Amino acid sequence: AQTVTQSQPEMSVQEAETVTLSCTYDTSESDYYLFWYKQPPSRQMILVIRQEAYKQQNATENRFSVNFQKAAKSFSLKISDSQLGDAAMYFCAYRDMNYGGSQGNLIFGKGTKLSVKP
Amino acid sequence: DTGVSQNPRHKITKRGQNVTFRCDPISEHNRLYWYRQTLGQGPEFLTYFQNEAQLEKSRLLSDRFSAERPKGSFSTLEIQRTEQGDSAMYLCASSLVGTHSEAFFGQGTRLTVV
Repeated sequence: AQTVTQSQPEMSVQEAETVTLSCTYDTSESDYYLFWYKQPPSRQMILVIRQEAYKQQNATENRFSVNFQKAAKSFSLKISDSQLGDAAMYFCAYRDMNYGGSQGNLIFGKGTKLSVKP
Repeated sequence: DTGVSQNPRHKITKRGQNVTFRCDPISEHNRLYWYRQTLGQGPEFLTYFQNEAQLEKSRLLSDRFSAERPKGSFSTLEIQRTEQGDSAMYLCASSLVGTHSEAFFGQGTRLTVV
């Protein structure tokens, strides 16, 4: 069974600085998706960034980028120029790439609570 | 608002009572998922629908839990004979069919069983 591990329960960053959140996962599949979701307090979870395992190039979305190391099964999120609005729970998630299949559910880590200090 | 809508946002119930939650997905989305999130944990998959068909159920979904999606539109999640361990946030998400489709989440229903 696939598992996702986030080893940092809490992280803190100074506004405008850079922070990296760690995630490791375990799977026997070769094709899959990895995601970072942001869950602000009392608000819905939103997708921050995603990575297809077959792509070697690391995904980037504005201030958010990932370091995807497939062999090491590592998927970290880097947030540059941190802003107060980045404060939230961040969840790493995995999903099989099941061509033509019926699955689509996400497997989440326990999350990392990010605080941003002004 | 065209996002995923969940009602109620909060529910407090006494142990042993039945509760029902509703999820209205994004209108064109044919996949609908239910997740449960307990304090300090990430969301855990419960079940999902493609249109009106319930295609997968997690072993977390005991026989006290039932979910429906009549006519492939909104979905309901019912918990019978609630227990204190059922206290959690229940999240709904929807997506299109397809390996590249993104799941959009609702704000969740927070259940407290007293």
